[in-house]
Amino acid sequence: TQLLEQSPQFLSIQEGENLTVYCNSSSVFSSLQWYRQEPGEGPVLLVTVVTGGEVKKLKRLTFQFGDARKDSSLHITAAQPGDTGLYLCALEDSGAGSYQLTFGKGTKLSVIP
Amino acid sequence: NAGVTQTPKFQVLKTGQSMTLQCAQDMNHEYMSWYRQDPGMGLRLIHYSVGAGITDQGEVPNGYNVSRSTTEDFPLRLLSAAPSQTSVYFCASSYSFRGVSSYNEQFFGPGTRLTVL
Repeated sequence: TQLLEQSPQFLSIQEGENLTVYCNSSSVFSSLQWYRQEPGEGPVLLVTVVTGGEVKKLKRLTFQFGDARKDSSLHITAAQPGDTGLYLCALEDSGAGSYQLTFGKGTKLSVIP
Repeated sequence: NAGVTQTPKFQVLKTGQSMTLQCAQDMNHEYMSWYRQDPGMGLRLIHYSVGAGITDQGEVPNGYNVSRSTTEDFPLRLLSAAPSQTSVYFCASSYSFRGVSSYNEQFFGPGTRLTVL
């Protein structure tokens, strides 16, 4: 079973600041997904990264997939209160005959107005 | 499309009671799954299904049963509720699980908050 570590666990910043959160795996993975979960709701997919070194942008969010395909980061520029939520990374279990997504424990972000 | 729906939204049980959490999707998705979410533990997979009639265990299956008689529905049964099963339960579905990565996007329901006394 692949392990996913997310850091930091909690992050509280002022509106307008930049931040980066990280997702690291114990082994190489083929693709990784980032989700955001708002309080009282289910997670919603933000992006899927597939290629080593890949960079994807979603407005003020920049997602990067490490060259070695063992890590990923999410950078938010000029954070806004609407960015508040739990950010989760998830990867597909690569075991034969297995169809499981493994989620990290998440980074809980609070953006203070 | 309603997407993924879950009922009930809230439930309180006494230890030893049984109940079924309902999950339905109207997107003709093959893959469906159940997760539980506890503070500081992230999402942990309970059971999943890759199609009607096919189910398998996830990371934390003990105390739960599932069945998949139709593509649309994937109920989760608690056989004899215990306080350790107090959690928020999420059902999710995707078009498939392997192959093109865009097919693997998980669509989550709004969750069921369960308390076992």
